[in-house]
Amino acid sequence: AQSVTQLGSHVSVSEGALVLLRCNYSSSVPPYLFWYVQYPNQGLQLLLKYTSAATLVKGINGFEAEFKKSETSFHLTKPSAHMSDAAEYFCAVSERGYSTLTFGKGTMLLVSP
Amino acid sequence: GAGVSQSPSNKVTEKGKDVELRCDPISGHTALYWYRQSLGQGLEFLIYFQGNSAPDKSGLPSDRFSAERTGGSVSTLTIQRTQQEDSAVYLCASSLKQRDIGYTFGSGTRLTVV
Repeated sequence: AQSVTQLGSHVSVSEGALVLLRCNYSSSVPPYLFWYVQYPNQGLQLLLKYTSAATLVKGINGFEAEFKKSETSFHLTKPSAHMSDAAEYFCAVSERGYSTLTFGKGTMLLVSP
Repeated sequence: GAGVSQSPSNKVTEKGKDVELRCDPISGHTALYWYRQSLGQGLEFLIYFQGNSAPDKSGLPSDRFSAERTGGSVSTLTIQRTQQEDSAVYLCASSLKQRDIGYTFGSGTRLTVV
């Protein structure tokens, strides 16, 4: 069985500050890991994914995430927050060879001027 | 189309009625997924179609839920005898092929059961 824990249902940052959204996973087999973003009244958009290549994954909009097997973590970061980054972010895990995703509960990112 | 299209975008129905939610995947995508997003449960997998294979129905919460995919393209999710706990946003996604897991989501159908 697999699961995802996202620490913090809400994270607040100031514009220009570092964004750090935490994700820890549990999987009995090597996982694939994902970050999705959801803007109000929209579907989920893929930010980035880890599928066993480089452990540091770069995504869209300046986001990146690092797979750390020893910590079972896949935290999402962005050096400098922008107002347009305000949205809900979901971490997800999939077992290799399977295409269904298990999602975390989501973290709402709030960006203040 | 350019993206995954879902209709209706909003649906209000009375408890006990049946509803049908439609998903039109990206042309050429062979894999299609339904997920449910609700306040209490977060995002949950419901069902997965891949080509002509039997669907993976392991996420369907009860036998009131069913889905079909006609001609390997459009999919319909049907909920019979709706209950208030069925209120949620139903998201459809598609991907080019099996195990291509960076799939594209639609904007969802917000279902409200009153």
